[in-house]
Amino acid sequence: DAGITQSPRHKVTETGTPVTLRCHQTENHRYMYWYRQDPGHGLRLIHYSYGVKDTDKGEVSDGYSVSRSKTEDFLLTLESATSSQTSVYFCAISESGGQGRHEAFFGQGTRLTVV
Amino acid sequence: KQEVTQIPAALSVPEGENLVLNCSFTDSAIYNLQWFRQDPGKGLTSLLLIQSSQREQTSGRLNASLDKSSGRSTLYIAASQPGDSATYLCAVKESGGGADGLTFGKGTHLIIQP
Repeated sequence: DAGITQSPRHKVTETGTPVTLRCHQTENHRYMYWYRQDPGHGLRLIHYSYGVKDTDKGEVSDGYSVSRSKTEDFLLTLESATSSQTSVYFCAISESGGQGRHEAFFGQGTRLTVV
Repeated sequence: KQEVTQIPAALSVPEGENLVLNCSFTDSAIYNLQWFRQDPGKGLTSLLLIQSSQREQTSGRLNASLDKSSGRSTLYIAASQPGDSATYLCAVKESGGGADGLTFGKGTHLIIQP
């Protein structure tokens, strides 16, 4: 298994509170991603990073921010959590490798409930 | 905007059957296509990756094909087993490669009956 650790694995928080999810990798991959998975929508890209301090928005970035101060860590922050952000959040990593494969590997997910 | 569709949404077959899962995408300018397996409450496990210049990839009882011009991929599972029961997801990476994320289908929920 790719060395990706997400924390926490489960969290319940109240509407309006800030929440930070952490993704830690031991693979030294350049690219890191945050997705959310919801019934009826599948997985959708929130934000991604292409290097330390280099990030960009994905399809569903409103209400989320990210930071990457070290290669191994990618943080996702919900500035003021809303019930619509109740979801399962997945971190992924990839690297071009020698053949430019860019194979993506996923963490185990964080189940977030906003009440 | 790229859209990925997986058919069927659900499939239930007896053990031992060979089966095919389908994936279609609207923009043929892709960098690669990846098939994943997801067990309930778990993360995604990469099964096969096909680069845009390739036609197929094989791993054990799994074979994935890619027809980029028609926007289609299939995942063939030979001699299915109850342990193959899971949701199978297809995802494409846009042609820019690099940082681009994946666009996913909604998956095929597969049940193999013992």
